[in-house]
Amino acid sequence: ETGVTQSPTHLIKTRGQQVTLRCSSQSGHNTVSWYQQALGQGPQFIFQYYREEENGRGNFPPRFSGLQFPNYSSELNVNALELDDSALYLCASSLISGDPEQFFGPGTRLTVL
Amino acid sequence: ILNVEQSPQSLHVQEGDSTNFTCSFPSSNFYALHWYRWETAKSPEALFVMTLNGDEKKKGRISATLNTKEGYSYLYIKGSQPEDSATYLCAFPGGGADGLTFGKGTHLIIQP
Repeated sequence: ETGVTQSPTHLIKTRGQQVTLRCSSQSGHNTVSWYQQALGQGPQFIFQYYREEENGRGNFPPRFSGLQFPNYSSELNVNALELDDSALYLCASSLISGDPEQFFGPGTRLTVL
Repeated sequence: ILNVEQSPQSLHVQEGDSTNFTCSFPSSNFYALHWYRWETAKSPEALFVMTLNGDEKKKGRISATLNTKEGYSYLYIKGSQPEDSATYLCAFPGGGADGLTFGKGTHLIIQP
């Protein structure tokens, strides 16, 4: 059984660009959540996908969007990057939507210059 | 907006000493409380999911207690070892369909 993986590990972009981050869920998990951790803060919930549909969303603007694929892997897309988008992006998978236990990947470190 | 507070923000502990830190959360509409350990350059690792008032859970030298009526949880580490050095996060469901609201964490450093 493989754990949650994310790619890439590090990424540097410039303001205004677009970025796509990827996540492979733990085997058998059909729900994925994305979090943003800015420096000095705890992770903040961006959104959750369940069976390829957005299932819930935190306080993030529409330029943060996502996809979930039939194999339950997921993408986080951020358009029109801003300097404040520099952060560690974590994805977490769970067995079903509503399962209290979430398994996290190691994160993607995004730097926006 | 849910408020999850952790204290202290950072902690230096001598190897072999025991330590504890706190997570405070809203006591109304309680569902569950999560504790995670996060070592540098690794994935956050789930320690405990606590659901019942008065719950006490243990994993090796680490244990946690829960008081849902007053809205706090303590994490205890007995006989700290260097490998216990990590950031300990607590999280509370309710930040949007099944999203977790995290505290800022307690950064624990064990000094040999």
